[in-house]
Order: sequence, then C-alpha cells, then structure tokens
Amino acid sequence: QVQLQESGPRLVKPSETLFLTCSVSDDSLRGYYWTWVRQSAGKGLEWIGRIYINGASNYNPSMKSRLTMSVDASKKEFSLTLTSVTAADSAVYYCARDREDSFGQLDYWGHGVLVSVSS
Amino acid sequence: DIQVTQFPSSLSASVGDRVNITCRASQAISSYLNWYQQQPGKAPELLIYGASTLRNGIPSRFSGTKSGTTFTLTITSLQFEDFATYYCQQGYTSSLYTFGQGTRLDIK
Repeated sequence: QVQLQESGPRLVKPSETLFLTCSVSDDSLRGYYWTWVRQSAGKGLEWIGRIYINGASNYNPSMKSRLTMSVDASKKEFSLTLTSVTAADSAVYYCARDREDSFGQLDYWGHGVLVSVSS
Repeated sequence: DIQVTQFPSSLSASVGDRVNITCRASQAISSYLNWYQQQPGKAPELLIYGASTLRNGIPSRFSGTKSGTTFTLTITSLQFEDFATYYCQQGYTSSLYTFGQGTRLDIK
C-alpha cells in the first residue's frame, strides 16, 4: 500500500509562488511517474502534470509557462512550483502515482491540500 | 487534445437500482480509459482501469465496458456508499491526461 502526503502553505498571495511537496511512503518513487491534479471548489479534476524519477516531465499546456516539477529520490518526495498565482489557482491539490506502464491510471492518491490564493 | 465528454452530469437513483455513466472520447484511445469515485471531501479512488479491469478490492457490482470511443461505467444493485461523484480519465496521451466533467450520483 503506497501512501502519499501533500504538504505546503495553505495561503498564498496573488502573484507569488506556490510550492508543494508530496512525500511517498516507500521506495516506490523509482519506476513510476508521479502526478499532480487539482480541483477547484465545486469543480472537476484538472491534470496539472507529472514527473519521472529521471526528471522527465509533462505539463498541462494551460499552466506550462508557470510550472516546474522536481523529484528527490533520496528524500522520497516530489514537488510542484507554480509561479504568478491568481485566485484561479485556488484549489485542492492532490498528488498521485501514475501507472504510465499500464493505462495511465492514477492508482494511489494523497489526501489533498487546500490552497487559497488571497491577499 | 483529446476531449472526454461525460454524461449525465447528475443522476438520481435508489438503493438497489442499476445505473450507467458514459464517457465519449473525441478520438480513438484504445482502452486507455479509467474510472474514479470521489466521496465529498475525499481524494478520488480508482475503480476501473483499462476500460474494464476492476481494481483489486472494488466490489463486483462495478463494471466497465467499451464500444468504439464510448465507455460506460455500470453500477448494479446500488448501495448507500455508492452515492458519490464519478469521473472518467483518458490515459492515452501521456503528455496531457484529461478527465471527464464528472457525474454526481444522488439518492432519489
């Protein structure tokens, strides 16, 4: 059973940078892609992007210019950096494991962290 | 980009009913379609992957089928704990996964 836990600030000011980290319970970082998904209040799920252990990544084109992901296998964690945030970036952010080796299903998820963008 | 259109957006049913939720992809995605259940305030949970493979531990009243670019999630004999929101997700284009709009399943 893989466990994921998101961490980061719950409140970010407009135009500032959001930094979130996802900690993974075991050594399973290797061999998988790791994904971020967000969900605005009362809305559906939006795929943000994903990263592999070697740093290879894919980003949603709608956020690509503001987005960076990284991975640190030694710490068993991966991270998301989103710059120039606005109120539209307020959402619950989830991290998940991506089975790109199967059908692209997200089989393990963190509990999510609610991020609000407000001055 | 591959679009996934999910319908209905909401559905009311009773315990014991059978319901169908449908997703239609804008182009061929083979069997790269996955289904999730989300309870209020919780993270989504994977139910079915590869269009029809039930994840270990998921009750057999859940099933998935594929016909061309149309995918259907069927829940037979609804249980109280099944009232939730359901999402489909295409995993065909690994550079941009997309989710359906969601279907909220309420108790009638």
